[in-house]
Amino acid sequence: ETGVTQSPTHLIKTRGQQVTLRCSSQSGHNTVSWYQQALGQGPQFIFQYYREEENGRGNFPPRFSGLQFPNYSSELNVNALELDDSALYLCASSLDTGGSGVEQFFGPGTRLTVL
Amino acid sequence: KQEVTQIPAALSVPEGENLVLNCSFTDSAIYNLQWFRQDPGKGLTSLLLIQSSQREQTSGRLNASLDKSSGRSTLYIAASQPGDSATYLCALGTFGNEKLTFGTGTRLTIIP
Repeated sequence: ETGVTQSPTHLIKTRGQQVTLRCSSQSGHNTVSWYQQALGQGPQFIFQYYREEENGRGNFPPRFSGLQFPNYSSELNVNALELDDSALYLCASSLDTGGSGVEQFFGPGTRLTVL
Repeated sequence: KQEVTQIPAALSVPEGENLVLNCSFTDSAIYNLQWFRQDPGKGLTSLLLIQSSQREQTSGRLNASLDKSSGRSTLYIAASQPGDSATYLCALGTFGNEKLTFGTGTRLTIIP
């Protein structure tokens, strides 16, 4: 158990809808990163939040957005869902940003299916 | 741009054998490397973390090594068990970049 939780576990949406995924980091962790993992692939970095500000973004369009709250929770929002957004979404929390070499702790993921 | 390769993509071995999983990377300016285990449809479980100044880490039957000069890491699993069956992913943190870059993983099956 990493102490990182995600909700919901599974989600089914239709194309064009909007979705919000939630993550609760370990207490004291000020950094959260989100990853998308398509079937059979390694996770791909979406973005990172550090002290409630975006701190790095991968190659994802603006319809992927996020929020981080002072209570160690965070959200990933995806607008105008496309079929290719179907994937496992993982959040990872850490004590500091990636550049310091700290370990990242992953949650169990949310499986999103877009029909 | 950091590129991470894991070969083979899949591996099947009889129970009790020792085995080695490989991870290669193109940019040696890394600050750490993590090995993860992923069961089907599940999240990632961290197995070992090697900082850039270290050469290896050990946890139980697992030993991970890091050779930055050659751009390689190996995960050694001793006395394999059916419960070790999973996908194993390596991931690198690279200086100047906040993300972890993952390989595509090796799917390991231990045959009882």
